[in-house]
Amino acid sequence: KQEVTQIPAALSVPEGENLVLNCSFTDSAIYNLQWFRQDPGKGLTSLLLIQSSQREQTSGRLNASLDKSSGRSTLYIAASQPGDSATYLCAVLPSASGTYKYIFGTGTRLKVLA
Amino acid sequence: NAGVTQTPKFQVLKTGQSMTLQCAQDMNHNSMYWYRQDPGMGLRLIYYSASEGTTDKGEVPNGYNVSRLNKREFSLRLESAAPSQTSVYFCASRFTQYEQYFGPGTRLTVT
Repeated sequence: KQEVTQIPAALSVPEGENLVLNCSFTDSAIYNLQWFRQDPGKGLTSLLLIQSSQREQTSGRLNASLDKSSGRSTLYIAASQPGDSATYLCAVLPSASGTYKYIFGTGTRLKVLA
Repeated sequence: NAGVTQTPKFQVLKTGQSMTLQCAQDMNHNSMYWYRQDPGMGLRLIYYSASEGTTDKGEVPNGYNVSRLNKREFSLRLESAAPSQTSVYFCASRFTQYEQYFGPGTRLTVT
C-alpha cells in the first residue's frame, strides 16, 4: 500500500533563506506527484505537478524534483519570504489506482520569520 | 472562472441529523472528489467520480453517499451525522492527467 511521508512536520527559517521540503513515498509506481500550499483555514492551492516521466518542474521561486527510484520528491523555495508561511502538502497518484485516487502526505508547516 | 465552489462554508449538526454538502466546478473537469481533513490524519478520500454518471468509494466512505448530478456538480450527503464526522470537507476536480483544484472547504461540527 502506498504511503506518503513528509518530514519535518514543522520548520521555521529566517527570511531570505533557501529551503528544501521533503516528500517520500513507498511505491515508485506513480503516475504523477503534485505539491500544494494550504493557508490556515483555507483550501489547497496547487503549486506544481510533476508527471512520472519528468525530473523537475519550476514556477517562479519554486522548483520541484522527482526521483521515482528512490521514492523522493523535494520542493525547493528560493529566497523565502514571510508570505511563504503556510502548510505544504504533497500528493502522489499511484499507477495502480486507475489514475484517480491520490494519496496525501500530512504536510510540512513552514514559518518564515521576518 | 469561479473554479471549485462549496456550500455551506460552516455547519453545525446534532447527532442523527442529515445534510448535503454541495460542490460545483466551472472548469469542464471530468473527475471530481470529496476529501475530509482531520488533524494529524492528512486528507483522506471519501468518494470520487471519474466522469459524469459514475461514482466510486475512496478510503473512508462509510456514513456518506454521493451524487454526480451532472458534469459540474458533485454532492456529498450525510444521512445520519455522527460526532466522528466532525471534520473539514474539501471538494476537488481535475481533468485527466492534469492537476487537482480544490474548493475552499466546509467546516462541519457534529455535536
